[in-house]
Amino acid sequence: GAGVSQSPSNKVTEKGKDVELRCDPISGHTALYWYRQRLGQGLEFLIYFQGNSAPDKSGLPSDRFSAERTGESVSTLTIQRTQQEDSAVYLCASSLNPGTEKLFFGSGTQLSVL
Amino acid sequence: QKEVEQDPGPLSVPEGAIVSLNCTYSNSAFQYFMWYRQYSRKGPELLMYTYSSGNKEDGRFTAQVDKSSKYISLFIRDSQPSDSATYLCAMSAVAAGNKLTFGGGTRVLVKP
Repeated sequence: GAGVSQSPSNKVTEKGKDVELRCDPISGHTALYWYRQRLGQGLEFLIYFQGNSAPDKSGLPSDRFSAERTGESVSTLTIQRTQQEDSAVYLCASSLNPGTEKLFFGSGTQLSVL
Repeated sequence: QKEVEQDPGPLSVPEGAIVSLNCTYSNSAFQYFMWYRQYSRKGPELLMYTYSSGNKEDGRFTAQVDKSSKYISLFIRDSQPSDSATYLCAMSAVAAGNKLTFGGGTRVLVKP
């Protein structure tokens, strides 16, 4: 596709439920990132995938958060046993190669945990 | 104290005015500096990119980096209502997207 695609655009869930967020990066982009943006705040790095290398999980806030990526395509971010503090916009980004800070972002998934 | 500080605004200006945005930072190792623009309910889009100190101009946009003062700026000339958005600064010590540190963003409103 022309850009990074994320789904769903909005997700409302109850506390304690699991949620799965999807990201389709730009075709040909080898690097994929997940960021979290809380209301009125900057972006927090969560996890980074590059090819077949082990992902950089240093930003994941707890073991309730996990992510997978199939080759150099789709990625899913899973949050288990959601908490109200997980409410945020979850942004996915991709880049052409790993040695760049120039990211292309999707429109994000607005997650609301009630 | 946050590693990157940015005034949240909102910054309201009349159409045609110059918009002046800035960020301060504490990590002297930062050498890659970016400005992203984020419209409501959209992801950030890269606006300007600068390596190390100096100025960079692109159309109505000028980015400045002063590493000695740990201060970066973005100027928008002849502002338009379509420039109304949140502007995020981002920086890193290495050329790696997973190492970016973002400011909290400044909301800008350009009134017609």
